Amino acid sequence: DTEVTQTPKHLVMGMTNKKSLKCEQHMGHRAMYWYKQKAKKPPELMFVYSYEKLSINESVPSRFSPECPNSSLLNLHLHALQPEDSALYLCASSQVSRGGPETQYFGPGTRLLVL
Amino acid sequence: GQNIDQPTEMTATEGAIVQINCTYQTSGFNGLFWYQQHAGEAPTFLSYNVLDGLEEKGRFSSFLSRSKGYSYLLLKELQMKDSASYLCAVRDNYGQNFVFGPGTRLSVLP
Repeated sequence: DTEVTQTPKHLVMGMTNKKSLKCEQHMGHRAMYWYKQKAKKPPELMFVYSYEKLSINESVPSRFSPECPNSSLLNLHLHALQPEDSALYLCASSQVSRGGPETQYFGPGTRLLVL
Repeated sequence: GQNIDQPTEMTATEGAIVQINCTYQTSGFNGLFWYQQHAGEAPTFLSYNVLDGLEEKGRFSSFLSRSKGYSYLLLKELQMKDSASYLCAVRDNYGQNFVFGPGTRLSVLP
């Protein structure tokens, strides 16, 4: 299994809603990532979990709250988002070796629209 | 700081060879990755360089010069399906942060 899955594929939410994005991998990878990608722009790193611990938080607003319940799952909880948060949210995972994380494998993404 | 630069757009003809350059200035370096991303899809891994030199994988090759902060991705025998964005990403010294370049949109014409 070399797949990273993400649900839902599409999400439309109002600014007062609470929703969650989910990501799952069964490759035994111990690093998992959340990226935000706007149209025609590269992915921007949001969070990194390494061995289920948050290791990088790239100054992301608190309306985005990550959670890593176990080594296979990664969630992103959303609350009180703004229209400018509309984007493609990508999850990725990678193996971790002595040299650091290895190649990242990306999920298909969740396309989020905030109204 | 982190600065990665790539040409914004390139055009090439089916069957031709194209070279996509990437220059980087980062606070640390622990490997450079190339990804392909079709519109509306997730990035997929193409190649990885951590030592100087050329890595070849079928129609795709990637080159790295660490002293020059420079890499390129070489695509041979271009096919229409190669029309996509090509992203170069640098992994930093601490090994957990990947910084992506702006991406190069390649259009392959018949």
